[in-house]
Amino acid sequence: DQQVKQNSPSLSVQEGRISILNCDYTNSMFDYFLWYKKYPAEGPTFLISISSIKDKNEDGRFTVFLNKSAKHLSLHIVPSQPGDSAVYFCAASGGYSTLTFGKGTMLLVSP
Amino acid sequence: DSGVTQTPKHLITATGQRVTLRCSPRSGDLSVYWYQQSLDQGLQFLIQYYNGEERAKGNILERFSAQQFPDLHSELNLSSLELGDSALYFCASSVVGLAGADTQYFGPGTRLTVL
Repeated sequence: DQQVKQNSPSLSVQEGRISILNCDYTNSMFDYFLWYKKYPAEGPTFLISISSIKDKNEDGRFTVFLNKSAKHLSLHIVPSQPGDSAVYFCAASGGYSTLTFGKGTMLLVSP
Repeated sequence: DSGVTQTPKHLITATGQRVTLRCSPRSGDLSVYWYQQSLDQGLQFLIQYYNGEERAKGNILERFSAQQFPDLHSELNLSSLELGDSALYFCASSVVGLAGADTQYFGPGTRLTVL
């Protein structure tokens, strides 16, 4: 039973446009959410996080939105750059428990 | 560079064998986590150690075991290997070991191939 779902295996966007990556979760106990980025042959790199007491967190070109009632979060990248091409993982935790990851979305940003 | 190191980078072995994967956490981090990433799968949490003690267990098979040593490095032991154990194994570390309170930083991974 997948508690964190990233339903889009891949996403293609043109450079300069907005990339929106989505993530849904089923466990209502989750209260902390993170996004990681992964390049081939490297480990995941932390990107941005959000606590359930917020509905938005921004860091430069990256913004994460949380909709608790819909159990949905999204990562917006504006403007997208070719260097953003990577696999993006959504992760969640609840009650200080360990992280549960989605299967990832491969983002391709073309020039 | 996250500061987390893992060795070896690649490992090729045969079914039935036993291997050991090694992880050194970032300086100052007390908690170590192990994850498995199989083809088309997300990262599956295996086990967490904090300051030498097991703190949490995930989907870790009985054939797998881990430990964290006094110098805080950790080893993941995989025995009686099967073809399905072929995967990327990641180690991560964090300061406190509380997922809602601190960030996990990942190593580059060990790619295990079982033939």
